[in-house]
Amino acid sequence: KQEVTQIPAALSVPEGENLVLNCSFTDSAIYNLQWFRQDPGKGLTSLLLIQSSQREQTSGRLNASLDKSSGRSTLYIAASQPGDSATYLCAVRGNSGNTPLVFGKGTRLSVIA
Amino acid sequence: EAGVAQSPRYKIIEKRQSVAFWCNPISGHATLYWYQQILGQGPKLLIQFQNNGVVDDSQLPKDRFSAERLKGVDSTLKIQPAKLEDSAVYLCASSFLGTGELFFGEGSRLTVL
Repeated sequence: KQEVTQIPAALSVPEGENLVLNCSFTDSAIYNLQWFRQDPGKGLTSLLLIQSSQREQTSGRLNASLDKSSGRSTLYIAASQPGDSATYLCAVRGNSGNTPLVFGKGTRLSVIA
Repeated sequence: EAGVAQSPRYKIIEKRQSVAFWCNPISGHATLYWYQQILGQGPKLLIQFQNNGVVDDSQLPKDRFSAERLKGVDSTLKIQPAKLEDSAVYLCASSFLGTGELFFGEGSRLTVL
């Protein structure tokens, strides 16, 4: 059974810092991995999707990497801003496009102005 | 392009009452998911539909929860009778088979008193 762990559970940084959020998963036979952002009281917003054949994806100040063999992914946020404050969730999909995502519990990020 | 629509956004009921949530996925998305998110946790899959057929409902408490997807488009999730531990946010998501990227609605927050 796939398990997804996110460390740390919470993180507070000053504005302008670069930061890394970590995600690990127990079964390396994945189809893809997706990073989401969740603001309080809101749904999940997709940030980046990495297919199993890819090593990284970039969108603006965000960069996500994937190392399937070690069961790890990182989300790098450059030059953090107070508007980046949210919970970041990592989710992995099993070995076909039709299997459900399994989520971690998330990392709650606070960027202090 | 319209996103995933959900209603109602908020619902407060007493235990043993019933409640229903509605979801309209992104046009053309064949796969629809219902997730339950308890405060401080990652979303947990309740049921996954492919068109109007059930792909996975292994974590759906079938003694009280039911879901249907009429004509392979809209979906309804029902809880009857509700328990205190059903207090959570119910998230609907959809994906286009092939890429597997999930898109979520804003969620329906249920409080059971």
